[in-house]
Amino acid sequence: SAVISQKPSRDICQRGTSLTIQCQVDSQVTMMFWYRQQPGQSLTLIATANQGSEATYESGFVIDKFPISRPNLTFSTLTVSNMSPEDSSIYLCSAWTGGNYGYTFGSGTRLTVV
Amino acid sequence: DQQVKQNSPSLSVQEGRISILNCDYTNSMFDYFLWYKKYPAEGPTFLISISSIKDKNEDGRFTVFLNKSAKHLSLHIVPSQPGDSAVYFCAASAGTSGTYKYIFGTGTRLKVLA
Repeated sequence: SAVISQKPSRDICQRGTSLTIQCQVDSQVTMMFWYRQQPGQSLTLIATANQGSEATYESGFVIDKFPISRPNLTFSTLTVSNMSPEDSSIYLCSAWTGGNYGYTFGSGTRLTVV
Repeated sequence: DQQVKQNSPSLSVQEGRISILNCDYTNSMFDYFLWYKKYPAEGPTFLISISSIKDKNEDGRFTVFLNKSAKHLSLHIVPSQPGDSAVYFCAASAGTSGTYKYIFGTGTRLKVLA
């Protein structure tokens, strides 16, 4: 299966600022995804990022708040904009590797907004 | 509305015994299910899958059972080992097994006692 490097692993940010999270995959993948896991909650899909097209956002998530880039088949970024304490969460990127492996996930970014 | 539920937030099992993790779903269109394991500070890793055409899938110490009429699946780990201590997520999707939109449960924290 693919290996995904995600950074930063954690950050503490001031409210009103923005943070960009990066994910690098060691092989080319068509579909990449961004998830959020709030404390005590399940993984919630934020958006799907396919190379060469606009990201597709799930209900409750908008591009202005979570802009995504997918410049090539091995890389994607998620920006959390104009942060508030409610954005404190773990953010995970993943890639669909199909077959027996389903999703491969990055190690996550633990974001705390103060 | 939580379509995939893991009603036990935590479970403790003695080493060598069986661990049974449960997952219930409400959407009868779900036809492909995944289990993931997550260690602290790491992303989830794929464990085992099952499609709705089967009622059992086995991989080494891990077996997943699917009861479609009850909309219930379970993951059995036999024998349990201390290294199995982690958070386990089930996930479900509708459509073919190639679809990418999975709904995740909230996870069950398994602790295997030595």
